[in-house]
Amino acid sequence: QKEVEQDPGPLSVPEGAIVSLNCTYSNSAFQYFMWYRQYSRKGPELLMYTYSSGNKEDGRFTAQVDKSSKYISLFIRDSQPSDSATYLCALHNAGNNRKLIWGLGTSLAVNP
Amino acid sequence: NAGVTQTPKFQVLKTGQSMTLQCAQDMNHNSMYWYRQDPGMGLRLIYYSASEGTTDKGEVPNGYNVSRLNKREFSLRLESAAPSQTSVYFCASSHGGVAGELFFGEGSRLTVL
Repeated sequence: QKEVEQDPGPLSVPEGAIVSLNCTYSNSAFQYFMWYRQYSRKGPELLMYTYSSGNKEDGRFTAQVDKSSKYISLFIRDSQPSDSATYLCALHNAGNNRKLIWGLGTSLAVNP
Repeated sequence: NAGVTQTPKFQVLKTGQSMTLQCAQDMNHNSMYWYRQDPGMGLRLIYYSASEGTTDKGEVPNGYNVSRLNKREFSLRLESAAPSQTSVYFCASSHGGVAGELFFGEGSRLTVL
């Protein structure tokens, strides 16, 4: 079983839709839950992160962590064509090994 | 503010040739990383350098070598390129404040024929 599972999509939605992107994980030791956005032919950029459990909101984006279910989500409200990108989850166990565990990414297309 | 700069952006090699990918960051970060990204495999860590003067293997180090030249620069060398090393390579850096907060370059697309 992979440490992180993420549906690669592609996901296609109309402009203005609410988008839900998800990852599941198996290691309960993860403490940092990151969401990166990667535009085509660019490097990933950190969108937002959550430490431990709970929700975090930043504008149209909300990150949610459910540690009991080992499930993390990224919600995008009022989606825009500029949100079209691949979204990668990344999990981190803040020990001596600073290794990030990456999901494969979900490709999102927001159609005008 | 340049952030993380990678050169070259594109390269085509023949099997057996060698090359070095260069990476420089201007954010005074301690840690630097080299990843490769392949369809269906995601991002995989090749090598990382937690601080100037140290380097450590990641998940897929075979066929690669690295040099942390100074705090700013971290290079990745392919001594004898193989078609399996055709990939997009990303350099990243972090200041270590928030674990997992990486700043990536724009990538170097390498094709080995």
